[in-house]
Order: sequence, then structure tokens, then C-alpha cells
Amino acid sequence: GAGVSQSPSNKVTEKGKDVELRCDPISGHTALYWYRQSLGQGLEFLIYFQGNSAPDKSGLPSDRFSAERTGGSVSTLTIQRTQQEDSAVYLCASSLALESPLHFGNGTRLTVT
Amino acid sequence: AQSVTQPDIHITVSEGASLELRCNYSYGATPYLFWYVQSPGQGLQLLLKYFSGDTLVQGIKGFEAEFKRSQSSFNLRKPSVHWSDAAEYFCAVLTGTASKLTFGTGTRLQVTL
Repeated sequence: GAGVSQSPSNKVTEKGKDVELRCDPISGHTALYWYRQSLGQGLEFLIYFQGNSAPDKSGLPSDRFSAERTGGSVSTLTIQRTQQEDSAVYLCASSLALESPLHFGNGTRLTVT
Repeated sequence: AQSVTQPDIHITVSEGASLELRCNYSYGATPYLFWYVQSPGQGLQLLLKYFSGDTLVQGIKGFEAEFKRSQSSFNLRKPSVHWSDAAEYFCAVLTGTASKLTFGTGTRLQVTL
């Protein structure tokens, strides 16, 4: 596609369940980011993938959060044993290089009940 | 560590009035600076960026921003606001030593007719 695609667009889950969020970056973009956007909190960095380098996981809030990027393209963010405080919009972005502008997807709105 | 401050959480302006959104960053060297806009239910879109050179940069939709090293600021301006400019605006900073783009908490712009 022409832009960054995220699925699902909305996800409602029960507390304690695991969820997987998917991101399809723009073809050819080597950098991929995950951010979390909570109400009034701005964008919180979660994880960054650049090519074949080890990902920067410094923003993951707990060991319940993990992400992988297969074949340098699609990425999946997994949240295990979801908690109510995990409710937020999860945004994925990709770019050609470190200093290149980010292209964002429309996000996945996660609601944990 | 780098940080970005957007002191105004919410701003309301009348259509046709001028606009200035404030952004201050904390970093010793010259960073890469960005402004993004987010319309409701959408991902973020790049408005403009500053890497080096002319400190006044022009962006899309009639926006401009000025980098002032002495004030560690990168304020966003528009001479005449349109109702369609109502959105949330994020300032972001990227440094050469960090792999992640750090965002401010955002400023929500409301435009009255």
C-alpha cells in the first residue's frame, strides 16, 4: 500500500488476555517505530527497529510488552496479560532512515475492560 | 537526555487570527526538530522539519517555524488560521546519539468561527 497500515483499528479485550497488534510499514522503509498515545500523555516511545540491527527496546514499559519484525517488514506488538492501564492508541511509524520524517499509521485503539 | 516541552496544552484562536505554538527542547548540540499534526482519528503528519541552515523553515499548509538556539525553541507559526487547522500539534526532537524521536505532550488547537 501507499502508507503505513495498522490492524486492527480497534481492539477491545478483557483484562488478563493477550493481544497482538500488527503494523505493515511502507515498502523499503528500514526504520520502524512503535509509540503509545494515552490521553494527555503525548507520544510515548516503545520500541525501534532499524534494518538488521538489534532493536532499541528501551521504551517498553514492562516485560509484558514485546515486539518483533519479521523479514525487515511487518511488525507485531504483543501485550501479554493486558491491564486496564494498557488502554491507549498504539501508533506505528516507518521511515527511510534515522533522520527521515516518520510516516504514521492511523493507530490501533486498545481498550482493556 | 533529550526532552521536549510544549507548555500550552490547549489553545483557542479565531479563524483568520495568527497562531504561535511554543516548543522548547533540552539538548546540548543542535538537534533535528520536527512539527507533526494529528487530526482526530488519524495518524500524525509531518508539517515541517529543521536540520541545519536557514533557521526559518517553511512547511505545508502555510505553517512555518523558527529555530532559536539562544532560547532552545522551535515555535510553530501561521499568519492566518483556518477552521480546518483544528487538530493536535506535536513538536519532536531527534539527536545524533539517540535512535528515537522524542515527542512533546502536544498542543490541542481549537478554532472558533
